[in-house]
Amino acid sequence: EAGVVQSPRYKIIEKKQPVAFWCNPISGHNTLYWYRQNLGQGPELLIRYENEEAVDDSQLPKDRFSAERLKGVDSTLKIQPAELGDSAVYLCASSPGTGGFYGEKLFFGSGTQLSVL
Amino acid sequence: RKEVEQDPGPFNVPEGATVAFNCTYSNSASQSFFWYRQDCRKEPKLLMSVYSSGNEDGRFTAQLNRASQYISLLIRDSKLSDSATYLCVVNKGQAGTALIFGKGTTLSVSS
Repeated sequence: EAGVVQSPRYKIIEKKQPVAFWCNPISGHNTLYWYRQNLGQGPELLIRYENEEAVDDSQLPKDRFSAERLKGVDSTLKIQPAELGDSAVYLCASSPGTGGFYGEKLFFGSGTQLSVL
Repeated sequence: RKEVEQDPGPFNVPEGATVAFNCTYSNSASQSFFWYRQDCRKEPKLLMSVYSSGNEDGRFTAQLNRASQYISLLIRDSKLSDSATYLCVVNKGQAGTALIFGKGTTLSVSS
């Protein structure tokens, strides 16, 4: 079974340019997360979807970041305009859904490494 | 106080050593606890869930202390292949809420 697929793997852009990341979760997984990971830090939650609904986007910088998950499957994360501080790895993860009392287990994609020059 | 805090590390140990990582979380309502492993330039992968009664998986033992809001991971008989960053993960509150990651603790096992 295919895992979580992300593209592109790497992206280099100049500041103020727009950029978009794409994620295809594991088939049947209802929950989808976008995380951002800076070097030497743990993943930082940006947004969580349950099917097509964004149920937690409190950490998403809404002035420049947007996300969508049409039809509750694939998702895209967009930054416009990008800033130097946005350089990081953007990770997508999916989960089959709430796993009962002990919560969810996440399956991550390989991530998109963004460099803003 | 950060939602999830871990030992800063790095931990440098010889093969065969026993090493323990600690983690504290701020939300007493959190119900889901995990340890993830992340190799250099790779994505995080689930190592083990952490249950109230404590649980063991081979050389790895996880403990949870709800009263102290404290989680631990013990690795016995360390192997070179255990070298990685270990991430403590806790959900934000009630079951089904988003998972929050700690900063991670880096382990380096040497021969």
